[in-house]
Amino acid sequence: GQNIDQPTEMTATEGAIVQINCTYQTSGFNGLFWYQQHAGEAPTFLSYNVLDGLEEKGRFSSFLSRSKGYSYLLLKELQMKDSASYLCAVRDSNYQLIWGAGTKLIIKP
Amino acid sequence: DAGVIQSPRHEVTEMGQEVTLRCKPISGHNSLFWYRQTMMRGLELLIYFNNNVPIDDSGMPEDRFSAKMPNASFSTLKIQPSEPRDSAVYFCASSLGEGEVETQYFGPGTRLLVL
Repeated sequence: GQNIDQPTEMTATEGAIVQINCTYQTSGFNGLFWYQQHAGEAPTFLSYNVLDGLEEKGRFSSFLSRSKGYSYLLLKELQMKDSASYLCAVRDSNYQLIWGAGTKLIIKP
Repeated sequence: DAGVIQSPRHEVTEMGQEVTLRCKPISGHNSLFWYRQTMMRGLELLIYFNNNVPIDDSGMPEDRFSAKMPNASFSTLKIQPSEPRDSAVYFCASSLGEGEVETQYFGPGTRLLVL
């Protein structure tokens, strides 16, 4: 079967760095997405990785290792507004997105 | 662009009633997705269309659910009859194409409560 694993919840301090991990087992691989979802709102696109390595976009970076079936989202200089759920999703061989359950990130002052 | 538009934003209905959710995708996008999100099950893909044609409806829970896309700018998701367990947030998303490097853009969602 297809499976995406992420921690359910994480807590971090304002100004710090946090890494949210995602491991996956899917039928084929055609890219990995990270989405951010604030409470009561829709998911919004953060990043896309299809090749191994690190993609940096401002305070957010996303890393992919296809051989390990592993990705992480790195958030630097945390701000209170970063409190949200972070969803990992993998596109399989049929180009369908398989979604993780999301990681709820709580930022404390 | 106004983004993906969904209506209604909130719906409260009684068990057994018909519910129709509406979606207008981003102009020019060829793929449209209907999702359901609950605390227990997370985000679930119900059905997606490419060029107005249903491609995969394996996520549709049962025959009470149906979806249509009569043209490139409009889609509906209908539940008839509705049940309390259908209470969830229903998202519509659209993307530029299928089988490409594209991003899904989500609408604001419809919060459905079936009493």
